[in-house]
Amino acid sequence: NAGVTQTPKFRVLKTGQSMTLLCAQDMNHEYMYWYRQDPGMGLRLIHYSVGEGTTAKGEVPDGYNVSRLKKQNFLLGLESAAPSQTSVYFCASSYLLAGGQPPYEQFFGPGTRLTVL
Amino acid sequence: SQQGEEDPQALSIQEGENATMNCSYKTSINNLQWYRQNSGRGLVHLILIRSNEREKHSGRLRVTLDTSKKSSSLLITASRAADTASYFCATPPSGGSNYKLTFGKGTLLTVNP
Repeated sequence: NAGVTQTPKFRVLKTGQSMTLLCAQDMNHEYMYWYRQDPGMGLRLIHYSVGEGTTAKGEVPDGYNVSRLKKQNFLLGLESAAPSQTSVYFCASSYLLAGGQPPYEQFFGPGTRLTVL
Repeated sequence: SQQGEEDPQALSIQEGENATMNCSYKTSINNLQWYRQNSGRGLVHLILIRSNEREKHSGRLRVTLDTSKKSSSLLITASRAADTASYFCATPPSGGSNYKLTFGKGTLLTVNP
């Protein structure tokens, strides 16, 4: 199993450009997440999804959109990139426990390093 | 909002020594997790401790939880250079929603050969 993969690994954008980050997981996990990691700030949740076709806002959703059309994929879009969105973006997934209990541990992808000039 | 805060922010030790990191949190929790992040990589889950547990072991890792003090500690015994990484504690928000986690800012551990 590849686990959680992210595409691309690196990207440089100019202010105002748009792009989509792709996250894929092959573990049949229900839950998927997008985080950003900035120096001194730890990880902050951008958006998350509790199942195919569902999305919800996290702590810092402004400037981002997401879609979960397929269970294995979670896309993060930047419609008009800004320098403040320069960051490392991590995707994660998690599973339902037996009996439908909410998940606990999360599995992370390797990250996408995005620079907006 | 930041739920967990690690202390210290950075820790440098010699190979073979023990490393202790602490995490304090603000509201009641039903579990607390520790993750490791090697430089330039994603986070990896290390261990989870539930609110009704006081101590848990996994290999060279020992985690304690004191719910009365709202704090947890992660002890790495007989450290190795390969343990060099950032360590994060993570907790679900109070009031449920166990599928979401809030991460602290991390402790950067450097183990010198």
